[in-house]
Amino acid sequence: EPEVTQTPSHQVTQMGQEVILRCVPISNHLYFYWYRQILGQKVEFLVSFYNNEISEKSEIFDDQFSVERPDGSNFTLKIRSTKLEDSAMYFCASSPTSGASTDTQYFGPGTRLTVL
Amino acid sequence: AQSVAQPEDQVNVAEGNPLTVKCTYSVSGNPYLFWYVQYPNRGLQFLLKYITGDNLVKGSYGFEAEFNKSQTSFHLKKPSALVSDSALYFCAVRDGTDSWGKLQFGAGTQVVVTP
Repeated sequence: EPEVTQTPSHQVTQMGQEVILRCVPISNHLYFYWYRQILGQKVEFLVSFYNNEISEKSEIFDDQFSVERPDGSNFTLKIRSTKLEDSAMYFCASSPTSGASTDTQYFGPGTRLTVL
Repeated sequence: AQSVAQPEDQVNVAEGNPLTVKCTYSVSGNPYLFWYVQYPNRGLQFLLKYITGDNLVKGSYGFEAEFNKSQTSFHLKKPSALVSDSALYFCAVRDGTDSWGKLQFGAGTQVVVTP
């Protein structure tokens, strides 16, 4: 069964450094999402992306964040200058735009980001 | 605005007994409701969803959930729990008027099934 994959599984960085989290959505899915979960807190929506542009973003997704689909398979989240409070588990998700599962988001295993 | 409440941080059940994980929601439009499960070091795995139609929906691994509009609830159930069902369970809601809109998650309920 196709799955969303994410790399790396764990990223450790120094405060102020740039990080790029990578995701490979399920093939033929066209809607992509990033969520994050700070330890002990709820899973929070960050951004959704369709047709090479942001569809919706939360107030968390400020100018330090950006998303990109650099090629036909990858979907990336960049944090330009990391802060301590960016430490969290980041989940990528994708959703098809046709078929019986268009309303379902399928999640990857997550990348744990630790900012020191 | 939309929100989800999972009132129990943890549910303990003996193997073979029925399992219920509670969820209530608030959404302005038609609710699209989801249950996800997270095993250690794994992502959020889709279990089941309610979009429309029959209030009782069946999903993976013998789980089912009942949509109750008057009580704004979507409780997850399994008639006979297994030790392997021990995991973190998340309820999520989305406004049905937004086809690919964001999910709003509950805080999660840790299920512990003892042999």
